[in-house]
Formats: sequence, C-alpha cells, structure tokens
Amino acid sequence: AQKVTQAQTEISVVEKEDVTLDCVYETRDTTYYLFWYKQPPSGELVFLIRRNSFDEQNEISGRYSWNFQRSTSSFNFTITASQVVDSAVYFCALSLWSDTGRRALTFGSGTRLQVQP
Amino acid sequence: DSGVTQTPKHLITATGQRVTLRCSPRSGDLSVYWYQQSLDQGLQFLIQYYNGEERAKGNILERFSAQQFPDLHSELNLSSLELGDSALYFCASSVERGLGASTDTQYFGPGTRLTVL
Repeated sequence: AQKVTQAQTEISVVEKEDVTLDCVYETRDTTYYLFWYKQPPSGELVFLIRRNSFDEQNEISGRYSWNFQRSTSSFNFTITASQVVDSAVYFCALSLWSDTGRRALTFGSGTRLQVQP
Repeated sequence: DSGVTQTPKHLITATGQRVTLRCSPRSGDLSVYWYQQSLDQGLQFLIQYYNGEERAKGNILERFSAQQFPDLHSELNLSSLELGDSALYFCASSVERGLGASTDTQYFGPGTRLTVL
C-alpha cells in the first residue's frame, strides 16, 4: 500500500520569507506520479504541480519550486517570497502509473501554512 | 476554476436519510473520482468510474454507491446517513486516455459539504 507523510502540521512565516513544505512517500511501485495541491480557506483543492517518478529534474515555476529525490522518497515544495495569499493547507499526493485503475490519489495529512503580513 | 462542477455546494440532512451528490467532469475527461475529506480521516479515495464503468474502489462504505452516466456526469449516493458521514465530498476528473504523461492530473470540483444532524 502507498503512504504519504507530511510531518509538518502547521508552519507560520512572515511575508516574503521562503518556506519549504516536506513530503515523504512510500510505494513499492517503480513508476508513479507525485502532486502538490493547495486548499485555500474557501475549501476547493487546487492543482499546483506534478512530477513523474522517472524524471528527477527539479524545476522552478514562478515562486514555486520542488525538489524530488527518489533515493530518499521525498518530494519537497518551496514557495519563494511568500505572500499572504499563499496561506492555505497544502497536500502532497501520490498516484500509481497503471492501467488497472490504481491511479487514485493517496494524500498526506496536509500542512497548514500561515503567512503573516 | 477547474472546470469540474459539483452540486449542491452545501447539504444539511438528518440521520437515516439518503442524499445524492452530483458531479460534472471537465469537458473531455473520461474518469471521475470521488473523495471524502473529514477531520479524523483526512482526504480519502472512495471510488472511481471510467467511461461509465466502475474502475476502482477505495474506502467506500456499503451504504454509499455511485454511478457514471452516458454523458459522463457522476452521482454519489449516500444512504442511512450517520453523524460520522458529515464531511466535504470532492469529485475529481482526469482524461486518462492511456499510459501517457500529461493526461493523469486530477482536477477537483469545489466540493459538497454534507452536514448530518
């Protein structure tokens, strides 16, 4: 079975600080997808980023960047120069790569990020 | 706006009752997933339908059922409701034409908040 662990329950930063959200996952499959979703106070789940297990290239997209390391089963997410609008709960999720209907997302417990002005 | 719609947004009902939640996937998406988000269980996968057929089951109770119609919209039926069924229910959709890379991101609807009194 798959498992996603987000050890940080809540993080509080001051605006313009950089913040990294940690995610550790477990799976026996060698091919899988990793995701980050954001849940603002309004409640919807917003897709942020996706990474395939066979591509360890780390990328930057605007103020977001991510660090995927298969060797440590980690998929950390960094927000640079945080803003108050970044305040939300962030979920890391894992999906298997399979034709047999095993693509449902396994979510971590979420990290609540509070950005203070 | 993810393109996934869910109705109703809020639902308040009593124990023992039955309710139906509705989801319309993004245009072109064949796969619909249902998830439940509760305070004690977090975000959990319930069931997946692909092009009208059940594809995978997660932690779905026997009192719950779902279906996907020819126009690809889906309904989640919850019966004999209990207080513990109070939660936010999300629908997500994805294309899933095959094992391709970019088709597997799940986009979430705004959710239906169910309160059982």
